[in-house]
Amino acid sequence: EPEVTQTPSHQVTQMGQEVILRCVPISNHLYFYWYRQILGQKVEFLVSFYNNEISEKSEIFDDQFSVERPDGSNFTLKIRSTKLEDSAMYFCASSVQRFQETQYFGPGTRLLVL
Amino acid sequence: AQSVSQHNHHVILSEAASLELGCNYSYGGTVNLFWYVQYPGQHLQLLLKYFSGDPLVKGIKGFEAEFIKSKFSFNLRKPSVQWSDTAEYFCAVNAKDSNYQLIWGAGTKLIIKP
Repeated sequence: EPEVTQTPSHQVTQMGQEVILRCVPISNHLYFYWYRQILGQKVEFLVSFYNNEISEKSEIFDDQFSVERPDGSNFTLKIRSTKLEDSAMYFCASSVQRFQETQYFGPGTRLLVL
Repeated sequence: AQSVSQHNHHVILSEAASLELGCNYSYGGTVNLFWYVQYPGQHLQLLLKYFSGDPLVKGIKGFEAEFIKSKFSFNLRKPSVQWSDTAEYFCAVNAKDSNYQLIWGAGTKLIIKP
């Protein structure tokens, strides 16, 4: 069964550094998402992406965040200048359509900012 | 704003016990409702979902959930749990009016004692 994959599984970085989290969505899916979960808190929506542009974003997704689909398979989340509070598990998800559609999740990238 | 409440953060049961995990949401319009499960070390995966029709939905591994619109609830049930049901369970909601962003509950950690 096709799966969403994410790399790396863990990343440790220094405050102020840039990080890029990578995701490979399921191949016939058209909508892509990033969520994050700070330890002990709820999963939070960050952004959704369709047809090479952002379709929705939350208040969390400020100017330090960006997303890109650089080729036909990868979907990346870039954090330009990491802060301590960016430490979280970041989940990528994809779905065939947006409306009334199940989102399939990757295993997550645990980001630790020191 | 939409929110999702899961009443129990931790539940401990013995094998063969019956399970009910509560989920309430705050939103007056038409919603889609989901239960996701995360087994230790694994991806978030969909257990079941409700979009419309029969309010009693059946999912994988013997789980079911009942949508009670008047109570804004979507409780997850299983008549007889197994040790392998040990996992974290998340209720989530989305709606057209909020661009189908998934809004998540805090999760319930379920531990089944063998």
